[in-house]
Amino acid sequence: GAVVSQHPSWVICKSGTSVKIECRSLDFQATTMFWYRQFPKQSLMLMATSNEGSKATYEQGVEKDKFLINHASLTLSTLTVTSAHPEDSSFYICSAREHGLTSREQYFGPGTRLTVT
Amino acid sequence: EDKVVQSPLSLVVHEGDTVTLNCSYEVTNFRSLLWYKQEKKAPTFLFMLTSSGIEKKSGRLSSILDKKELFSILNITATQTGDSAIYLCAVGQGGSEKLVFGKGTKLTVNP
Repeated sequence: GAVVSQHPSWVICKSGTSVKIECRSLDFQATTMFWYRQFPKQSLMLMATSNEGSKATYEQGVEKDKFLINHASLTLSTLTVTSAHPEDSSFYICSAREHGLTSREQYFGPGTRLTVT
Repeated sequence: EDKVVQSPLSLVVHEGDTVTLNCSYEVTNFRSLLWYKQEKKAPTFLFMLTSSGIEKKSGRLSSILDKKELFSILNITATQTGDSAIYLCAVGQGGSEKLVFGKGTKLTVNP
């Protein structure tokens, strides 16, 4: 099946610094990638939809200047958490939908656990 | 407001039991309903349902969708300890292909 990777798998950073998370589709091209955030014992909350070559679409309540998304190619999207604060600590998961197929399945990456101290 | 509601939120059973997990939804522009299993990391895909009344089956797991009553169930027969996980229901919306997730059902299967 399709594989999506994320890097890093976990990161600890100091408050006020920025962190970049990469999401790659390894064996397929992804027109659309999605970024989710999951707090402990909560479900996945969609943060933004990332389309290759265009600006990301952010969900209500998600600050686009704080969570910068770049989808520069059909296999890579990045999420940068700028000026991170402890409340940004969470599990960030990306998913990708394969370009050109009728399947609506999204393939999920393994997630990145961010801890801001 | 789009919402997906799963019940129960948690469930503890013994190996060999059969469980039924519920998912109801109110989502605009419905396209599909998906079930995922989440253990320690990211969700893994189980089923995608788009048509009412057609059961999808994979081993001991099966699922069915009722688009009139806006719900789906996931059945697991002869449960095993390896079935312990959080089961997530998500509804896909047309156009953007966004997924709206429920809060999940935490299943614990004791030996």
